[in-house]
Amino acid sequence: KQEVTQIPAALSVPEGENLVLNCSFTDSAIYNLQWFRQDPGKGLTSLLLIQSSQREQTSGRLNASLDKSSGRSTLYIAASQPGDSATYLCAVRGNNRLAFGKGNQVVVIP
Amino acid sequence: DGGITQSPKYLFRKEGQNVTLSCEQNLNHDAMYWYRQDPGQGLRLIYYSQIVNDFQKGDIAEGYSVSREKKESFPLTVTSAQKNPTAFYLCASTIGGSNEQFFGPGTRLTVL
Repeated sequence: KQEVTQIPAALSVPEGENLVLNCSFTDSAIYNLQWFRQDPGKGLTSLLLIQSSQREQTSGRLNASLDKSSGRSTLYIAASQPGDSATYLCAVRGNNRLAFGKGNQVVVIP
Repeated sequence: DGGITQSPKYLFRKEGQNVTLSCEQNLNHDAMYWYRQDPGQGLRLIYYSQIVNDFQKGDIAEGYSVSREKKESFPLTVTSAQKNPTAFYLCASTIGGSNEQFFGPGTRLTVL
């Protein structure tokens, strides 16, 4: 069974610093990996999708990398802003379903 | 505007009652999913459906039922057999090809 881990559970950074969030997974036989953002009491917003054949994806200040062989993905958020405060979840796709990590709760301090 | 809608946003149920949560999408996605989110536990898959009139159990299907009579609709019924139904319920759908998954805004169910 695929296990997805995100450590630490919570972190805070000063505004302007780059954010680095890590995701590890136990089974490298994945189709893709997706990063989501969740605000309190809301649904999940898709940030980036990386297919298994790709090494990274970029969207604006966000960059996500994927190393399937080592079972790791990293989400970089450049020049963090208070509006980036949220929970970030990583999910890996196996056969017809996603396996989710528990998320990193991020606070960006003005 | 294309998207996934869930209703109601908040739902209160008395013990012993069945309740149905609505999920509708106008994205023309084939696959739809129901998840449950509890504090500190992450998202857990309840049921999913890849095509109309077909669905499969996820990891925690006991006490829940679904139907998929139309492509755009995937309602979830929480039955009285579900022992601890208080949670945040999220519906999602997936576009073919890339398999990117999109989520609705969620329904918070509280058992009184």
